[in-house]
Amino acid sequence: ETGVTQSPTHLIKTRGQQVTLRCSSQSGHNTVSWYQQALGQGPQFIFQYYREEENGRGNFPPRFSGLQFPNYSSELNVNALELDDSALYLCASSLKGIGLLAETQYFGPGTRLLVL
Amino acid sequence: AQSVTQPDIHITVSEGASLELRCNYSYGATPYLFWYVQSPGQGLQLLLKYFSGDTLVQGIKGFEAEFKRSQSSFNLRKPSVHWSDAAEYFCAVGGEYGNKLVFGAGTILRVKS
Repeated sequence: ETGVTQSPTHLIKTRGQQVTLRCSSQSGHNTVSWYQQALGQGPQFIFQYYREEENGRGNFPPRFSGLQFPNYSSELNVNALELDDSALYLCASSLKGIGLLAETQYFGPGTRLLVL
Repeated sequence: AQSVTQPDIHITVSEGASLELRCNYSYGATPYLFWYVQSPGQGLQLLLKYFSGDTLVQGIKGFEAEFKRSQSSFNLRKPSVHWSDAAEYFCAVGGEYGNKLVFGAGTILRVKS
C-alpha cells in the first residue's frame, strides 16, 4: 500500500468527450506526476506538478491538462478524447526536498480509460 | 535523451530457480534507477532503487539489482523465484534533478511449477 488512491477505477467515454481523473497523494507529498500506460507498453510521462505548478511535461498535447490542490489531491483532464487515449492512467506522488533533487515516486492503482 | 531497454519481453522460469531480468539505460548525467513490479490490473510497486553509493542494492521480496556504469546496466536478480513473483517488471531511469521517469517496455515473468 502506497497511500496513493485514484478514482474512478474504470471509465468508458466516447470520442470527443472530456474526462477528469482524480488522484489523492500520500499525506505530505508535494509533488504528483501523471503517466499514461497503453496496453503492452511501459508508462509514459505526461506531466508533473510541484506545489500546484506544472514542473515539466512530456510529449503530450495541450488537451491533456492538470491541477494540483493544497489538500494533496490532483486531477488529470483530457479534452476531445481520441481512441488512442484508451490506456491505464497512473498518478505517482513524491516529496521533493529543498534542493529539488529527484525522489522516489509512489504509484496509485490507476484508472483504466476506454474511449469508444 | 533518456531511454531504457528491456531486451526480454517474456521470461519463463521454474519455481525455485534463479532469475535475472536485464535492463540497459541511456542517460547523459547521473542516473537514478528503479525497478517496479506490476501485477495484472494493478499499479506499480517499487522493488528497489539506486541513487548513489553501493552498486548492489537490496529490495523487497528478496530482489536485488546491480548498477554497472561501464555497461549502462541495472539488472534485477532473485536467487529463488516463487510462484507469486509472476508479474510484469519495469526498469526506469530518472535524473538527479529530473522530474520524470522513463520506463522500459517491461518484462513479463511467468513461473512454472
